Amino acid sequence: NAGVTQTPKFRVLKTGQSMTLLCAQDMNHEYMYWYRQDPGMGLRLIHYSVGEGTTAKGEVPDGYNVSRLKKQNFLLGLESAAPSQTSVYFCASSQQNRNTEAFFGQGTRLTVV
Amino acid sequence: GDSVTQMEGPVTLSEEAFLTINCTYTATGYPSLFWYVQYPGEGLQLLLKATKADDKGSNKGFEATYRKETTSFHLEKGSVQVSDSAVYFCALIQYGNKLVFGAGTILRVKS
Repeated sequence: NAGVTQTPKFRVLKTGQSMTLLCAQDMNHEYMYWYRQDPGMGLRLIHYSVGEGTTAKGEVPDGYNVSRLKKQNFLLGLESAAPSQTSVYFCASSQQNRNTEAFFGQGTRLTVV
Repeated sequence: GDSVTQMEGPVTLSEEAFLTINCTYTATGYPSLFWYVQYPGEGLQLLLKATKADDKGSNKGFEATYRKETTSFHLEKGSVQVSDSAVYFCALIQYGNKLVFGAGTILRVKS
């Protein structure tokens, strides 16, 4: 089973460029999430989705947009990248039950220069 | 809002030493509690969980007990191995299935 797959795994952007990170899950999960991981700050929720066609803001949504047009995919967009967005980004998915675990992708390391 | 506080690291231990990583939480209601582990270059994976007060989660020799009276979920292992070197995250989940993470604790085990 593939589980949660993120693409790309690494990317370097120049300030002001745009890009889209793709997350795909094959477990038929309702919930999907985008987190960023920065040293000493744990994982912070950027945006999340509770089902196809729905999205909501998390803890640090500014500078990011998301879309969930298909249940299995959750896209994270950066319209105009800034150095403060240099981070490792993780996608996760889970079933619609708070007692079940979330499954994580391998991460995308993004550097904005 | 909900929050999780973990002990700061890095924690450096010799092989076969006893491990404790402290975790306390603040939440309204009754969250489920989790420990996730992140090995170098990988994503997070669930280590153990507890869904109600006094539950004990266990896996791979690690244990943690959900203590409602002290709002804690400390991770313990009786004898660590070099292969346990990783980053450990305490987390809680409540309404809306949103996971809230602690800052993570780096564990380094020396042979």
